[in-house]
Amino acid sequence: GQQVMQIPQYQHVQEGEDFTTYCNSSTTLSNIQWYKQRPGGHPVFLIQLVKSGEVKKQKRLTFQFGEAKKNSSLHITATQTTDVGTYFCAGPYDYKLSFGAGTTVTVRA
Amino acid sequence: KAGVTQTPRYLIKTRGQQVTLSCSPISGHRSVSWYQQTPGQGLQFLFEYFSETQRNKGNFPGRFSGRQFSNSRSEMNVSTLELGDSALYLCASSLGRGPLGDYEQYFGPGTRLTVT
Repeated sequence: GQQVMQIPQYQHVQEGEDFTTYCNSSTTLSNIQWYKQRPGGHPVFLIQLVKSGEVKKQKRLTFQFGEAKKNSSLHITATQTTDVGTYFCAGPYDYKLSFGAGTTVTVRA
Repeated sequence: KAGVTQTPRYLIKTRGQQVTLSCSPISGHRSVSWYQQTPGQGLQFLFEYFSETQRNKGNFPGRFSGRQFSNSRSEMNVSTLELGDSALYLCASSLGRGPLGDYEQYFGPGTRLTVT
């Protein structure tokens, strides 16, 4: 089963609004990775967080790694139609990379 | 650098047949992982190869197998296909000197397998 849980499963956002997706692990992670998969595409690496409490920004995307290194979040400001897709978090477990179920984002223009 | 390539992109097979999928990693990447993606189960890890050795395996039946060649190219094989094997099969490469989860994965476009 999945070791990493993501919520919400679906996020319907009005263009211009902000939203956040969350990722939770039952165990401490050495790092967490985020990927984006556009409809009909393949997962594309966005970022890796390693340090406790780390915050990284990519333009309108802000990624955070929790202090206990058990949770992470992705916050998108001023959502655009280009943000459509599924966002996955992934963490290492037992020498494998376990992906969350993903948050599928749709945008209303 | 060229990205990860996978062939074929689409495949239709009949139950009971077998299939072989191919993956060419990014030049210099020695780790190749395979994933099965379905709407219901998400991204499920199949196995990882590093320097021609299977380093890790997911919870899939023995019908799923793979190998890696000396040039890091990898193949996966599914024998005795079942309807439930219909999925997008993704391979990903990484530098992978250490454990799989330590490195960012670069995914190929996938092979869409349909079993009828």
